[in-house]
Amino acid sequence: GDSVTQMEGPVTLSEEAFLTINCTYTATGYPSLFWYVQYPGEGLQLLLKATKADDKGSNKGFEATYRKETTSFHLEKGSVQVSDSAVYFCALSDGGGSARQLTFGSGTQLTVLP
Amino acid sequence: EAGVAQSPRYKIIEKRQSVAFWCNPISGHATLYWYQQILGQGPKLLIQFQNNGVVDDSQLPKDRFSAERLKGVDSTLKIQPAKLEDSAVYLCASSQSGANVLTFGAGSRLTVL
Repeated sequence: GDSVTQMEGPVTLSEEAFLTINCTYTATGYPSLFWYVQYPGEGLQLLLKATKADDKGSNKGFEATYRKETTSFHLEKGSVQVSDSAVYFCALSDGGGSARQLTFGSGTQLTVLP
Repeated sequence: EAGVAQSPRYKIIEKRQSVAFWCNPISGHATLYWYQQILGQGPKLLIQFQNNGVVDDSQLPKDRFSAERLKGVDSTLKIQPAKLEDSAVYLCASSQSGANVLTFGAGSRLTVL
């Protein structure tokens, strides 16, 4: 079945540091790929997505590129802020029509120190 | 637009007791999902509805979990009897039919003692 493997955390960085969170996937079809973020006490929010190979998703300074050859979707940000502290989940959607579902990775806790 | 509403936010029960969680999706979203998120893990799908019909409940422990969406809007997830391993956050999400972007509620945190 489909699966998502994320870099284990927690990750602690200083403000303005460069961030990379690795994500690789296994899927039988051609999935869409997502990064969701969960701030303390809140639900998951969509951060960015990519629907086909070589697409780059971006939002709030975060970027991720859909790499079919390496089955990866690594999350990057050039300069993190304290407000980026959260749990980040990589996910894929491999269903069609009304059966679209998300398969999540285990999440990576990010703490940014001032 | 209003988000996905869930209640209660927190619930503490003893094992073998029952509990119910309620979800009100975004207006017009035909697809509704219940996910279970155990501490330190990613969310796992329990059940998916399309309007008031079940699309996928293959990972729902049907001996103790049940869910319904009678009028194709609100949904209720019930656990009876609860076990210690059911301690988790129960997330409700909704999407437009066929869309691959889900909107999540804040979740209902269950602690089973």
